[in-house]
Amino acid sequence: DAGVIQSPRHEVTEMGQEVTLRCKPISGHDYLFWYRQTMMRGLELLIYFNNNVPIDDSGMPEDRFSAKMPNASFSTLKIQPSEPRDSAVYFCASSLRNRRAGHEQYFGPGTRLTVT
Amino acid sequence: AQTVTQSQPEMSVQEAETVTLSCTYDTSESDYYLFWYKQPPSRQMILVIRQEAYKQQNATENRFSVNFQKAAKSFSLKISDSQLGDAAMYFCAYRSSLTGANNLFFGTGTRLTVIP
Repeated sequence: DAGVIQSPRHEVTEMGQEVTLRCKPISGHDYLFWYRQTMMRGLELLIYFNNNVPIDDSGMPEDRFSAKMPNASFSTLKIQPSEPRDSAVYFCASSLRNRRAGHEQYFGPGTRLTVT
Repeated sequence: AQTVTQSQPEMSVQEAETVTLSCTYDTSESDYYLFWYKQPPSRQMILVIRQEAYKQQNATENRFSVNFQKAAKSFSLKISDSQLGDAAMYFCAYRSSLTGANNLFFGTGTRLTVIP
């Protein structure tokens, strides 16, 4: 399996621009998570989906952030308009509901976003 | 919300020696999962080891083992015969076993340096 795929790996944009991050989970996984990693706040959950339905979006910082999962193999995280404080590494992870595996989450390589 | 604490921002170990990374957590639940993730300079989050709270036996994966002390809410990672490739950030993470509580709570990480 190719693992979780994220694109782009790096994104540099100017303040005010729209940014779209993409994720393809591992085939067959029914959970998808978006995390953000910064030096100040560490790793924090933004939102997660179960069977393409958003379950918990309480970590989404503000209305400028939105996430969608139109089908089981694709999800997007959009920031509009972007601000310098959004600069971070954004991770996508997926998992399969499996108690024996502890719902183990598999992470993608991350997207490093820089907003200037 | 659950909190995960890693009190050692940085650790170093001589190649071939053993090192222990500390992690404590706070929860009122009796059943949960604990994880150690490794993040090398490539940024990829890699699962190192997993422990289920209802299992008293400490998990082991090759050179990696944990010391799980449920009453003390402690979950330390021991790396034996350290190798240069073990150099990375290590994150401790907690996941509830409650239905609907699927996200991971991460500690702030410990940066491990391996000295040749």
